[in-house]
Amino acid sequence: GQQLNQSPQSMFIQEGEDVSMNCTSSSIFNTWLWYKQDPGEGPVLLIALYKAGELTSNGRLTAQFGITRKDSFLNISASIPSDVGIYFCAGQDTGANSKLTFGKGITLSVRP
Amino acid sequence: GAVVSQHPSRVICKSGTSVKIECRSLDFQATTMFWYRQFPKQSLMLMATSNEGSKATYEQGVEKDKFLINHASLTLSTLTVTSAHPEDSSFYICSGGLRGRTDTQYFGPGTRLTVL
Repeated sequence: GQQLNQSPQSMFIQEGEDVSMNCTSSSIFNTWLWYKQDPGEGPVLLIALYKAGELTSNGRLTAQFGITRKDSFLNISASIPSDVGIYFCAGQDTGANSKLTFGKGITLSVRP
Repeated sequence: GAVVSQHPSRVICKSGTSVKIECRSLDFQATTMFWYRQFPKQSLMLMATSNEGSKATYEQGVEKDKFLINHASLTLSTLTVTSAHPEDSSFYICSGGLRGRTDTQYFGPGTRLTVL
């Protein structure tokens, strides 16, 4: 089946630093989504990308839909302690009824 | 807006018993609801998709007779884990979406199931 690759599994940064996370796939997706999950909670949508090459921002977060439609990245600028959590990328196939495929997630730790 | 609740948030049961988890869309009508399972330090794995008033579509490898899904109304879906065993212990998360828009899924807070 389709797989999304996120690595490394964990990232440790200092408060105030910027961080970039990448997500790659062996197959094409038509929609890319980035979610954040806090411990014991459900995922919360951060950014949705619908078009190859699209660059979208949400506050300190910026995400881009790769031109090949096989990758996406998420940037967090000027990190703060509440950025701590697990960041998942998800891809959606052709067709609005297609299911989402999630990456394994990256656990972000921010040192004050 | 777009709030999804789950009940209970945490449940512990004995092996062999059945457990029902409720998923409610509080401020919108979820024509489609999704059930996911997440093991520790793992990603979300889709178990099944259900549209209101019709039978759920299960993903490959998910036993439909073990994980009973009912989506009787536009605001409520239930997942019943029948004859639960320790290997069913997991974090179960539901999400609600509008028909035809699975990219816009609103996730519930999850239910932690522990089977002793």
